[in-house]
Amino acid sequence: GESVGLHLPTLSVQEGDNSIINCAYSNSASDYFIWYKQESGKGPQFIIDIRSNMDKRQGQRVTVLLNKTVKHLSLQIAATQPGDSAVYFCAENRGSNYQLIWGAGTKLIIKP
Amino acid sequence: DVKVTQSSRYLVKRTGEKVFLECVQDMDHENMFWYRQDPGLGLRLIYFSYDVKMKEKGDIPEGYSVSREKKERFSLILESASTNQTSMYLCASTLGDRGGEGQFFGPGTRLTVL
Repeated sequence: GESVGLHLPTLSVQEGDNSIINCAYSNSASDYFIWYKQESGKGPQFIIDIRSNMDKRQGQRVTVLLNKTVKHLSLQIAATQPGDSAVYFCAENRGSNYQLIWGAGTKLIIKP
Repeated sequence: DVKVTQSSRYLVKRTGEKVFLECVQDMDHENMFWYRQDPGLGLRLIYFSYDVKMKEKGDIPEGYSVSREKKERFSLILESASTNQTSMYLCASTLGDRGGEGQFFGPGTRLTVL
């Protein structure tokens, strides 16, 4: 069946180090992927997206990598800061009506 | 900036009550969504609407209904609340373009059904 999942439910990273959050998807027909950040008490917030015709996309301190061969998506956060503490979700687009399939989320913890 | 607001941050209701959750967006978005979020399960789509008076079932519509009488407002209705509907409810909206910045979310309503 269709699913989007995460390898690690919790990730602890030293402040200043780079963070890598992984996501696996099973629907090979999906062609649009999004990463969201959800801070405590708030709704998810868009971080970055990528289409399947790309392998890599960069934003401010964030990079998303897409490996369609193994159906894997990752979010890299450079120089992790305390404000990066949150739960990160990957989501894929089903292709119609803008519906998204969501992963379960990864909690990122920043160690001082 | 897009703003999506939800009528309540916290709500406590009793089993069998009728519950209304309201969502309003101010960016003239065509598509609106209702999700529930439970620990370890991520976000699950309840209903969505791609136009006024139009609605489509999501993955878990049972026990819920929706109303979209105006473009900016999308309401989620629990006809007879049950304890298994205790959850965080998130509303989202997006433009009619599939690209762009995905869905914009409200702050959520944490509903407790006693």
